[in-house]
Amino acid sequence: DGGITQSPKYLFRKEGQNVTLSCEQNLNHDAMYWYRQDPGQGLRLIYYSQIVNDFQKGDIAEGYSVSREKKESFPLTVTSAQKNPTAFYLCASSKATSTDTQYFGPGTRLTVL
Amino acid sequence: AQSVTQLDSQVPVFEEAPVELRCNYSSSVSVYLFWYVQYPNQGLQLLLKYLSGSTLVKGINGFEAEFNKSQTSFHLRKPSVHISDTAEYFCAVSGGPSGGSQGNLIFGKGTKLSVKP
Repeated sequence: DGGITQSPKYLFRKEGQNVTLSCEQNLNHDAMYWYRQDPGQGLRLIYYSQIVNDFQKGDIAEGYSVSREKKESFPLTVTSAQKNPTAFYLCASSKATSTDTQYFGPGTRLTVL
Repeated sequence: AQSVTQLDSQVPVFEEAPVELRCNYSSSVSVYLFWYVQYPNQGLQLLLKYLSGSTLVKGINGFEAEFNKSQTSFHLRKPSVHISDTAEYFCAVSGGPSGGSQGNLIFGKGTKLSVKP
């Protein structure tokens, strides 16, 4: 089955630790995205990538980093510089044009202890 | 800059009643409009999208939306809801054919639809 997988589903982190969230897609999509979702805030774009080895900051990139070494993979690292990392993180992919549907993964819920 | 306003954060409704979830957008350029649904602790799923052509767009699960350019609105409707429609609904806009970062989606804050028996 084609789709987007995110792992883990739940993640707990101690303050001061970096943590990496995985996102993999087998849809052969060029573009991939990371969003952060907080209650009542909708989705906010963290980073996006339209092609391999290239990525751009979104609206709330501070405290996050990404890489795009393979077309299928777009991992997100939440660094210790992110002041309030507890949130639901969603990865998406699309064919990279503005008319194309973004397909979402099931999400990772990150909790900082 | 583009923005999306979902006027109601919560909408309670009884089963088999009609429902309308409101969405207004602001943009100075042509836009593409989307409605997504999110069930608890899951990702988002596309309900429908407007790109061009007919202003009435039909989607999955019996939902439809009407694009109104003069009122900059894209309200979502369903004539008769089911318990299973209980979820959060997000309206989103992208910047039309200009592409690049304008192709990215801007989301509203969501409307929680609660269908009661």
